[in-house]
Amino acid sequence: GDSVTQMEGPVTLSEEAFLTINCTYTATGYPSLFWYVQYPGEGLQLLLKATKADDKGSNKGFEATYRKETTSFHLEKGSVQVSDSAVYFCALSFTGGGNKLTFGTGTQLKVEL
Amino acid sequence: ETGVTQTPRHLVMGMTNKKSLKCEQHLGHNAMYWYKQSAKKPLELMFVYSLEERVENNSVPSRFSPECPNSSHLFLHLHTLQPEDSALYLCASSQGLNVETQYFGPGTRLLVL
Repeated sequence: GDSVTQMEGPVTLSEEAFLTINCTYTATGYPSLFWYVQYPGEGLQLLLKATKADDKGSNKGFEATYRKETTSFHLEKGSVQVSDSAVYFCALSFTGGGNKLTFGTGTQLKVEL
Repeated sequence: ETGVTQTPRHLVMGMTNKKSLKCEQHLGHNAMYWYKQSAKKPLELMFVYSLEERVENNSVPSRFSPECPNSSHLFLHLHTLQPEDSALYLCASSQGLNVETQYFGPGTRLLVL
């Protein structure tokens, strides 16, 4: 079946450091890919998405590029802030698959001063 | 109130108790979802309702019983739970069965003793 694999956390960085959170997927076909963020005490929020190969999703300084050849969708940010501390979830879905998001286990990011 | 709200935010119950979780969405959506978020595991989709009809039940034990009386409200009735049911239960809503418009609530943190 379809699955998403994320790097284990927690990831601890100093403010202004470069962030990469790895995400790879296994799926039959070409899914849409998503990153969600969950701030402490809140629900998940859609951060960015990409719907086809080589698409780049971006939002709030975060970027991720849909790489079909490596089945990856790594999340990057050039300079993290303390306010970016949260849990980040990678997910996939198929167009026409209706309601199903397949999530990874989440990666906790802690940014320190 | 805006977005998706959930009550209570925290719940402790014994294995013989009966309790209910409530979700309300103020977005005019017509589909609602229950997810289970356990530590170090991917989010698990439990139930999906579209236009107040259940369209998905992912092999969830019968001790979890959903109810969707209208398109704005979703309940999860709990009965005779087990300690392994302790988790964060997230509600979400969307316009149609479209994952890209899915909005999540903050969740109910459930502890079963």
